[in-house]
Amino acid sequence: SQQGEEDPQALSIQEGENATMNCSYKTSINNLQWYRQNSGRGLVHLILIRSNEREKHSGRLRVTLDTSKKSSSLLITASRAADTASYFCATEEYGNKLVFGAGTILRVKS
Amino acid sequence: DAGVIQSPRHEVTEMGQEVTLRCKPISGHNSLFWYRQTMMRGLELLIYFNNNVPIDDSGMPEDRFSAKMPNASFSTLKIQPSEPRDSAVYFCASSLTQGRFEQFFGPGTRLTVL
Repeated sequence: SQQGEEDPQALSIQEGENATMNCSYKTSINNLQWYRQNSGRGLVHLILIRSNEREKHSGRLRVTLDTSKKSSSLLITASRAADTASYFCATEEYGNKLVFGAGTILRVKS
Repeated sequence: DAGVIQSPRHEVTEMGQEVTLRCKPISGHNSLFWYRQTMMRGLELLIYFNNNVPIDDSGMPEDRFSAKMPNASFSTLKIQPSEPRDSAVYFCASSLTQGRFEQFFGPGTRLTVL
């Protein structure tokens, strides 16, 4: 079953623009993670935000978490063509089992 | 570190045949996960192990699927008999049980059942 639901399903922007992806989930979580998947490859971990954190930065990535709304957002600033990929949010429900959303396909045009 | 290693990378087989997918987790990781990815169903967790012990196999579709982890450095996912609807990309991932909980994914095995 999918816990996180990403929005939008697909996003197309110009290089240099910012990209924002949203994730909603249903149950209480320990943490929320974002992963990237390039075509034909495995998923790569981007960033993890714990349930007691509200915002986290890593390079050009900014993640927010609102546990009251059960939602998170991933912002990629100054996007590059190499950022073209699918982005998934994943929630950790218990132990270290992750439940992944359906993903957002990001296309950055150069 | 070589990362998570999966083999084979591609497998084409005929319906009814047995398929075995293999995974070597990152050394020192004690949690291992098997996922299946399809366009229709997205990324689904099939089973995961902690310290070589299966913890949750509720995602295994049916009895045709089985997974083993005989030691900390090797796991297999077996499908017997295979069916066309099993066609998907199968990923193995590993992580530390404690700590950051990020999972490291292998490159996947693309399975096609004819």
